[in-house]
Amino acid sequence: GDSVTQMEGPVTLSEEAFLTINCTYTATGYPSLFWYVQYPGEGLQLLLKATKADDKGSNKGFEATYRKETTSFHLEKGSVQVSDSAVYFCALIFYGKLTFGQGTILTVHP
Amino acid sequence: NAGVTQTPKFRILKIGQSMTLQCTQDMNHNYMYWYRQDPGMGLKLIYYSVGAGITDKGEVPNGYNVSRSTTEDFPLRLELAAPSQTSVYFCASSFPTGGDTQYFGPGTRLTVL
Repeated sequence: GDSVTQMEGPVTLSEEAFLTINCTYTATGYPSLFWYVQYPGEGLQLLLKATKADDKGSNKGFEATYRKETTSFHLEKGSVQVSDSAVYFCALIFYGKLTFGQGTILTVHP
Repeated sequence: NAGVTQTPKFRILKIGQSMTLQCTQDMNHNYMYWYRQDPGMGLKLIYYSVGAGITDKGEVPNGYNVSRSTTEDFPLRLELAAPSQTSVYFCASSFPTGGDTQYFGPGTRLTVL
């Protein structure tokens, strides 16, 4: 079945550092890919998405490119802020069924 | 436009008790979902619905029941609560196309003692 694998965390960075969170997927078809973010005590919010190969999703300085050849959707940000501290989930959706990775905890220190 | 709302926010149950988690959306979405999130894990699908009167099991349906009498509401029923059902429960909704974004409620934190 479909599955999503994220890099193991937690990830701890200093403010203004470069962020990469790796995400790879296995799918039988051509899914849409998502990054969701969960701030402490809150529900999941959509951060960005890409619906086909080579699409780049971007939002709030975060980017991810849908790479079909490597089945990857890595999340990047050039300069993280303390307010980016959260749990990040990579996910894929295919015919309405959303499959999540296990989540990566990001902590950014001043 | 409130989006997806869930009640209650927190609840403590004793083993064997029952309760209903409420979920309402005001976006006229056909699809609705219930997930549970265990510590350090991603979300697992419990049940979903593609429209009023239609529900189906997800990955982890045992111990739960759902109903969908209206487009807006999708309650989740726990019968005979067990400690293994201690989790955070999220409701979500989306439009009925395969790649559409799901919108999540704020969650219900349930503890079964």
